[in-house]
Amino acid sequence: DTAVSQTPKYLVTQMGNDKSIKCEQNLGHDTMYWYKQDSKKFLKIMFSYNNKELIINETVPNRFSPKSPDKAHLNLHINSLELGDSAVYFCASSYLPANNEQFFGPGTRLTVL
Amino acid sequence: DQQVKQNSPSLSVQEGRISILNCDYTNSMFDYFLWYKKYPAEGPTFLISISSIKDKNEDGRFTVFLNKSAKHLSLHIVPSQPGDSAVYFCAASVGAGSYQLTFGKGTKLSVIP
Repeated sequence: DTAVSQTPKYLVTQMGNDKSIKCEQNLGHDTMYWYKQDSKKFLKIMFSYNNKELIINETVPNRFSPKSPDKAHLNLHINSLELGDSAVYFCASSYLPANNEQFFGPGTRLTVL
Repeated sequence: DQQVKQNSPSLSVQEGRISILNCDYTNSMFDYFLWYKKYPAEGPTFLISISSIKDKNEDGRFTVFLNKSAKHLSLHIVPSQPGDSAVYFCAASVGAGSYQLTFGKGTKLSVIP
């Protein structure tokens, strides 16, 4: 059983389109995250939700909107895609952040043409 | 502004020898550090962590050393095995209870049989 799953694994789309990436975790965690790994390979946090409430919202364009329908899901919707949005997006989850061990999904490689 | 730096993008080591991966940080508020391992097409997986109250933490073949005065930590893998070939990310947070991790760019380790 996959602990943290993301769909789709690959996403190729045109500039200006709107797309969503879904994330689900079956670990019973109450905190979920979205990270972006850009071409320079840095993993940067974008958002974090705890019990469906937004707790971290880094400096991310408001074209990016996370949605958490329940504790097990955190989806990422991106409007008006731009070339610079091309990256690998990782979802992660954790228990209370007492030890900071976050469990990551396999990533979604987004390519904007 | 790289607060966590992994200055070696890659490292090659013979099987059975020691692998030493280095990480430097600039934010003196960081007091909890983690290492993650990442295989291609997979998400990062937690490897080992250390709190700033310690200078060493060991788990099997993996040992992390922390030098707070130098703002430097290192991950030792001994003996290195071909299955250890992966990208290793250093991460840091302010407090073990923090939701937010700051990652380095990663070091690609290749263990040569």
